[in-house]
Amino acid sequence: DIQMTQSPSTLSASVGDRVTITCRASQSISSWLAWYQQKPGKAPKLLIYKASSLESGVPSRFSGSGSGTEFTLTISSLQPDDFATYYCQQYNSYSYTFGPGTKVDIK
Amino acid sequence: EVQLVESGGGLVQPGGSLRLSCAASGFTFSSYWMSWVRQAPGKGLEWVANIKQDGSEKYYVDSVKGRFTISRDNAKNSLYLQMNSLRAEDTAVYYCARGGWYSSSPLDYWGQGTLVTVSS
Repeated sequence: DIQMTQSPSTLSASVGDRVTITCRASQSISSWLAWYQQKPGKAPKLLIYKASSLESGVPSRFSGSGSGTEFTLTISSLQPDDFATYYCQQYNSYSYTFGPGTKVDIK
Repeated sequence: EVQLVESGGGLVQPGGSLRLSCAASGFTFSSYWMSWVRQAPGKGLEWVANIKQDGSEKYYVDSVKGRFTISRDNAKNSLYLQMNSLRAEDTAVYYCARGGWYSSSPLDYWGQGTLVTVSS
């Protein structure tokens, strides 16, 4: 099974900061990686798919990069609405795996 | 508008059973892979199971194999999760999520979730 890790687990940042979250897969998943945002009590929201493709309606301050086993999610200028938990997910195989999540909170 | 509405959650004793349903609307249900994803209280997301458009392929996370069964009824635009031999560690909010035309697709729409509590 493919395992996913994320770093950091928690990130404290201020509005306007550039934020980067890293996700690593235990084996190559090509570009079959998605990023989700989740706020408390809400369902996850798809932000990025195929490692770097922006989902329709998602602000352009979100971007993704990487391939193989190492991936990053970048928020170019953190906005108040972006304080949330972010999860990566591999969908390379028929069974999927999520990373443990990165909570972005207010510094 | 794509909508996924889960139902069937509740309180159940360890060893008991529960059947979750997900009613889909706003898209051609029979054209998409579908998944169940769960989230234990205060924890991260865990993919549980997925099913191909015609139900011919089903995959499960190891922790539920042999206990949970995913199924679908394309005529009713509905997805199901039959959960047997429930354990305390199955306590979670269960989400229904839409995949794509292929298994290698992200989950682009999610329901609001239904809470399953396994406790005596």
